[in-house]
This record gives sequence, structure tokens and C-alpha cells, in this order.
Amino acid sequence: TQLLEQSPQFLSIQEGENLTVYCNSSSVFSSLQWYRQEPGEGPVLLVTVVTGGEVKKLKRLTFQFGDARKDSSLHITAAQPGDTGLYLCAGNQGAQKLVFGQGTRLTINP
Amino acid sequence: DAGITQSPRHKVTETGTPVTLRCHQTENHRYMYWYRQDPGHGLRLIHYSYGVKDTDKGEVSDGYSVSRSKTEDFLLTLESATSSQTSVYFCAISPGQGQWTQYFGPGTRLLVL
Repeated sequence: TQLLEQSPQFLSIQEGENLTVYCNSSSVFSSLQWYRQEPGEGPVLLVTVVTGGEVKKLKRLTFQFGDARKDSSLHITAAQPGDTGLYLCAGNQGAQKLVFGQGTRLTINP
Repeated sequence: DAGITQSPRHKVTETGTPVTLRCHQTENHRYMYWYRQDPGHGLRLIHYSYGVKDTDKGEVSDGYSVSRSKTEDFLLTLESATSSQTSVYFCAISPGQGQWTQYFGPGTRLLVL
């Protein structure tokens, strides 16, 4: 069983549309991170959220950490082809290890 | 970009042969990790290191061993490769001390025939 469940696993939309990716768990995390991975490369950190209810914005990307620190969401406004990639959430339970979700593969069609 | 290299970048091997993957960092970070990435599973931790000669198992450690004799190098060994170990392997590093961001290498694509 996956400790962190991401949904949807695949998403293909048209340029200009909005979308939301979810990362859910029954466990509490001290922090949660979102990474983006492009083909043939390793994941790259986008953001870290630490406080329950925290919202962070990175240009057209909005990240939210749930009040109970068990879930998170990534919302993209006016998606562009450059947003295409694999998005991974990862939770830190206070140790030096991260647990990753299975990823959401996003395709933005021109 | 964090200075992390992995070698080799691609490898094809036969079932039953030993394989060693190398991760090298120039950041002097304390923590180093080995993950495998397979479709539908995201990244799964194999082993990690919290210092020279200090290592511990992750969630999918069976069939793998690691060694860290220097801060900058973390080796992953498949003692006797199996087809189920065909995967993309990523090394990551982290400074620790409350900074848990992990910086990933470019990956090694391994095919076991």
C-alpha cells in the first residue's frame, strides 16, 4: 500500500485550462514537498510546506498543505506546455527520510 | 544545481551478475540516498547513509547492499542481478540539520536480461 496517494495518476488537458493534483495520506507529516521531474532527469524541488493550512504560490502554481498536515494539493492556473512533466509529492515524518507518492504525469497539449 | 553525478548512466547486464552503481557528490552533504523508480510506484527508498560507514535500509532493500567509505561516494551493489531489478536508479543527497530537501542525480537506467 502507498503511504501517500496521488490523484490523478495521469492528466492530459489543453493549454490554458486549470488543474488540481491531490496528495493524500492517513498519516501526519511534519512537512511536505512537491517535486517536478522531466524525462531523463532527476526530480527537482518546487516547494516545501510546513504549517497546517499553509499556502504557497510559485507563479501560476499554488500549493496548499491541509490543516491536519495529512494532505496537500497543487493547483496550476492557465496551464502551459512547459508545465508538462511528472509531479511528485513527498512527505517527511520527522526523520531524515522522505516517502514519495506514485506521481502524477501531466501533459499539456498546445 | 547540486553537484551530483551517477555512473554509469546506462547499463545492460545479465541475470546473476553483480552490478555496482556509483553516486558522487561535491556538496559535502551528510545524507545520501538510493532510490529506484518504476511506473506506478514513484520513488522507493532502497538504502540511505547518514555518514561515512553509517547506512540503513529503506523499504525495498532486499537484494541490494551499499557502502560509503568517503563522504562524497555512495555505492549501490546488486549482488546477483535479477530481472525484477530492471529499473531507473536515482541517487539523492541532503544536508540534513533541519533542511530535508533532497537533490537528485540524473539517474542510471539498468536493464537486467
